[in-house]
Amino acid sequence: SYELTQPPSVSVSPGLTASISCSGDKLGSDYVSWYQQKPGQSPVLVIYQDDKRPSGIPERFSASNSGNTATLTISGTQAMDEADYYCQAWGSGVVFGGGTKLTVL
Amino acid sequence: EVQLLESGGGLVEPGGSLRLSCEASGFMFSDYAMSWVRQAPGKGLEWVSGISGSGQSTYYADSVKGRFTISRDNSKNTVYLQMNSLRAEDTAVYYCARVGDQYCAGGSCFYSDYWGQGILVTVSS
Repeated sequence: SYELTQPPSVSVSPGLTASISCSGDKLGSDYVSWYQQKPGQSPVLVIYQDDKRPSGIPERFSASNSGNTATLTISGTQAMDEADYYCQAWGSGVVFGGGTKLTVL
Repeated sequence: EVQLLESGGGLVEPGGSLRLSCEASGFMFSDYAMSWVRQAPGKGLEWVSGISGSGQSTYYADSVKGRFTISRDNSKNTVYLQMNSLRAEDTAVYYCARVGDQYCAGGSCFYSDYWGQGILVTVSS
């Protein structure tokens, strides 16, 4: 079965740039989506089709996808961005990465 | 405003059955595929099942194939998840989610743009 691999945790200082990776075999040949989930809340879509932001998602969220790796980038990270982030792709069904806990400290 | 409201969760014994419902509003329900995604306590997201807008195409995770059945009633704007032969490892919050790409029937367009609040299913004796 298809697998997506994310680092368990990433730390960033406020105002700096955070990057979260998601790796999978030939991932760049498929669309990747990213979700943010804060404790006790439902996931929120922050990126779809590799690099598109839904309405209402701040411009500081961006993403890319090439080769075997997709990357979510948060520029000027704010305390409110502290959350779990999940990548998602399709592999005979929806596949989620294991999630990355972003800590802003 | 898009709204998704799950119901039907609760406590069930191992080997038992449960049917989840998700009532949708605020969009043309039959135009959109739907997904069920679950999250075990303290764990990550796990996709469970998906269904196209017409209901003709269905998809399942290997972990639930043969035990769970997804269906929809477009006249009632509702998607269902029938869960049979439940196991302790099925314990999770179950989310209903709308597939964001209108008319998507499967494949890489199957991302979710709106999520319900989730409903807890506990499998325990």
